[in-house]
Amino acid sequence: KQEVTQIPAALSVPEGENLVLNCSFTDSAIYNLQWFRQDPGKGLTSLLLIQSSQREQTSGRLNASLDKSSGRSTLYIAASQPGDSATYLCAVWGGGFKTIFGAGTRLFVKA
Amino acid sequence: DTAVSQTPKYLVTQMGNDKSIKCEQNLGHDTMYWYKQDSKKFLKIMFSYNNKELIINETVPNRFSPKSPDKAHLNLHINSLELGDSAVYFCASSHLTPTGGRSGNEQFFGPGTRLTVL
Repeated sequence: KQEVTQIPAALSVPEGENLVLNCSFTDSAIYNLQWFRQDPGKGLTSLLLIQSSQREQTSGRLNASLDKSSGRSTLYIAASQPGDSATYLCAVWGGGFKTIFGAGTRLFVKA
Repeated sequence: DTAVSQTPKYLVTQMGNDKSIKCEQNLGHDTMYWYKQDSKKFLKIMFSYNNKELIINETVPNRFSPKSPDKAHLNLHINSLELGDSAVYFCASSHLTPTGGRSGNEQFFGPGTRLTVL
């Protein structure tokens, strides 16, 4: 049974700092991994999707990596800003119906 | 131009009532989903609907039933509401290919419906 864990559960950093959020999964038989952002009281915004054949994806200040064999993904945020404050969720897709979410990392960037 | 929309945004109702939440996507996707986010913010998939094939998470009570009038809509009906049904319900959609394909089954979410059962 697939389990997805995100560490840390919460993170507070000063503005301008580079930071890394971690996502680990127990079953490496996945087709892709997706990172989302959720603002309080809002829906999920897709940030990056990495297919199982890829090692990383970049969008602006965000870079996501995937090491399928070790069951790990990282989301790197460069030069963090107060507007980056949100909950970040990772989800793995194992085909068909099987999308499993982590519990998320709550990020707070202090001005 | 909203990609995945849900109505209503908020729903407050009494225990025992029957209610529906509507979802529409204009992305041309072939698969739609319903998720439940509980008070601890944990997201769990409830249903997946693709080309008239419904896949149900076995943990979902049969009081919950999705109905899809067409590929762009997936509504959620809930009968005999209970206190424990209070949560935020999210609709999502994707273009599903067996192994991910070019779109990679990237999922796009609606804004959510906050259901409160009193």
